[in-house]
Amino acid sequence: GDSVTQMEGPVTLSEEAFLTINCTYTATGYPSLFWYVQYPGEGLQLLLKATKADDKGSNKGFEATYRKETTSFHLEKGSVQVSDSAVYFCAPSDTGRRALTFGSGTRLQVQP
Amino acid sequence: DAGVIQSPRHEVTEMGQEVTLRCKPISGHDYLFWYRQTMMRGLELLIYFNNNVPIDDSGMPEDRFSAKMPNASFSTLKIQPSEPRDSAVYFCASSLGQNNNEQFFGPGTRLTVL
Repeated sequence: GDSVTQMEGPVTLSEEAFLTINCTYTATGYPSLFWYVQYPGEGLQLLLKATKADDKGSNKGFEATYRKETTSFHLEKGSVQVSDSAVYFCAPSDTGRRALTFGSGTRLQVQP
Repeated sequence: DAGVIQSPRHEVTEMGQEVTLRCKPISGHDYLFWYRQTMMRGLELLIYFNNNVPIDDSGMPEDRFSAKMPNASFSTLKIQPSEPRDSAVYFCASSLGQNNNEQFFGPGTRLTVL
């Protein structure tokens, strides 16, 4: 079945630092790829997505590029803020099951 | 739109009691998902429905868990009898099938079984 590997957290950064959260996946076919974010005490929210190879998803300064050759979808942001502190989940879709396979989540802590 | 609505937001019960969690998906969405989130196991898909029909319940942990979707605007997840290891946050999500599987999550129900 599909699987996702995310870098373990917590990731602790100072404000305005550069962020990378690695994500690699295994899947049959060509899934859509998603990053979700979970703020403390809340449900998951879609952060960005990409639906085909070489697509770049972007939102709120975050970016991720669909790399089919390396089966990766790494999340980046050039300058993090304290408000970005949250847990980030990488999730490829299973086009057959119409379900998402979530990674273990990476907790980001941004210090002022 | 109000988004996905879940109730209750918090539930504390004693071992052996029946627990019912409720979900109202976004109007017009044809897929509904139930997830469980724990520190140890992360986010797990329990079951999902398409047009009110259960499609995949392979994630339901055991027979104590059951889920229903009697109509397009309501679903329940029932645990009977509940056990302390069922303590978790339970999320409901819905999606519009053809929208590349983008799912919208509710705020979750935090269940504590004593």
